[in-house]
Amino acid sequence: AQSVSQHNHHVILSEAASLELGCNYSYGGTVNLFWYVQYPGQHLQLLLKYFSGDPLVKGIKGFEAEFIKSKFSFNLRKPSVQWSDTAEYFCAVNEANDMRFGAGTRLTVKP
Amino acid sequence: GAGVSQSPSNKVTEKGKDVELRCDPISGHTALYWYRQSLGQGLEFLIYFQGNSAPDKSGLPSDRFSAERTGGSVSTLTIQRTQQEDSAVYLCASSLMPGKYNEQFFGPGTRLTVL
Repeated sequence: AQSVSQHNHHVILSEAASLELGCNYSYGGTVNLFWYVQYPGQHLQLLLKYFSGDPLVKGIKGFEAEFIKSKFSFNLRKPSVQWSDTAEYFCAVNEANDMRFGAGTRLTVKP
Repeated sequence: GAGVSQSPSNKVTEKGKDVELRCDPISGHTALYWYRQSLGQGLEFLIYFQGNSAPDKSGLPSDRFSAERTGGSVSTLTIQRTQQEDSAVYLCASSLMPGKYNEQFFGPGTRLTVL
């Protein structure tokens, strides 16, 4: 079974700072990769996904992620965060029928 | 259209009691998943349903946990003889089709507290 590691448990940034959240997975085969976000009091929702093709994936709200196969990584980035980006971010890897999630990274953006 | 709904939103129970959690998937979605989200943990896969096929129960943590899906739609997750370590948020998700290419849509979750 796969595992997903998110190394940052809590990240605190000021507005306009750049963001990079790490995600590594253990499986070396063909996988599909996702980032989900959970804003305070809201459902988990999809931020972006990678299935194949261009390893640089753009998602909603200015987020992007880069799939680096050799590093088994799928890091999430945003050049300039906003206060409204305060949320919990989950990386996920999908193989077959189930999704394996990382432990999540809580992002706090200070105004 | 409506998203995934779950009920109740909160459930407080005493240790040893049984609880039932309900999930209504998005209409037309054939795949349904249950996850558990514990404080400081990721989402833990519990069980997966696809149509009328036998469910994938590989993530259920013990035999106190069971789930069923009636008519290929609504699903109920049952926890018997609840323990304090069962306290968590239980999330349901559905997807249009099974398999790794399909985005899962999540419900709001049921927060279970076992006293």
